[in-house]
Amino acid sequence: DSGVTQTPKHLITATGQRVTLRCSPRSGDLSVYWYQQSLDQGLQFLIQYYNGEERAKGNILERFSAQQFPDLHSELNLSSLELGDSALYFCASSASSGRASEQFFGPGTRLTVL
Amino acid sequence: AQSVTQPDIHITVSEGASLELRCNYSYGATPYLFWYVQSPGQGLQLLLKYFSGDTLVQGIKGFEAEFKRSQSSFNLRKPSVHWSDAAEYFCAGNSGYALNFGKGTSLLVTP
Repeated sequence: DSGVTQTPKHLITATGQRVTLRCSPRSGDLSVYWYQQSLDQGLQFLIQYYNGEERAKGNILERFSAQQFPDLHSELNLSSLELGDSALYFCASSASSGRASEQFFGPGTRLTVL
Repeated sequence: AQSVTQPDIHITVSEGASLELRCNYSYGATPYLFWYVQSPGQGLQLLLKYFSGDTLVQGIKGFEAEFKRSQSSFNLRKPSVHWSDAAEYFCAGNSGYALNFGKGTSLLVTP
């Protein structure tokens, strides 16, 4: 158990819908990262927040957005969902930001878009 | 571009045999490199990391990795594989803020 929690574990929805994935980082960690894992793209970084502020952006679509709240939990919002958005979404957290930060991963949320 | 490459998509080894999973990196300066393992239906667990210093790093579960700058490699090794090691293994590098993952190597362990 990494100490990072993600809810829900599974999510099944239809195209065009909007969903929210939630992540609670390890106690004391200030950084939260979101990654997408799909069969064709592999593991891809989406976005990072550090202490409530956006720190870095990766291959995140404009239909996706995220935020980190004052209690440091984070939410990833996916809208106008397409079949290709079906994937495993991971949240990771670390104590600090930067290259040497050790990231701890949650169990993931499996999103299925029908 | 900064990246890591895992040349082997699948590896099959017999239980008790030694294991080496390959990872090649393309980074300037000092690369920050990691190996993660993902068991079926699970998240990623950090096995070991290399930042600087001793090029042979020890990790959890009996794994080790050797950083070789001359070969741009960071291969993962284990002297004797157990059936429970069957999983997906990912090499990753950190280019600034986020991890860049290789495509992964799926390890199958046969009796």
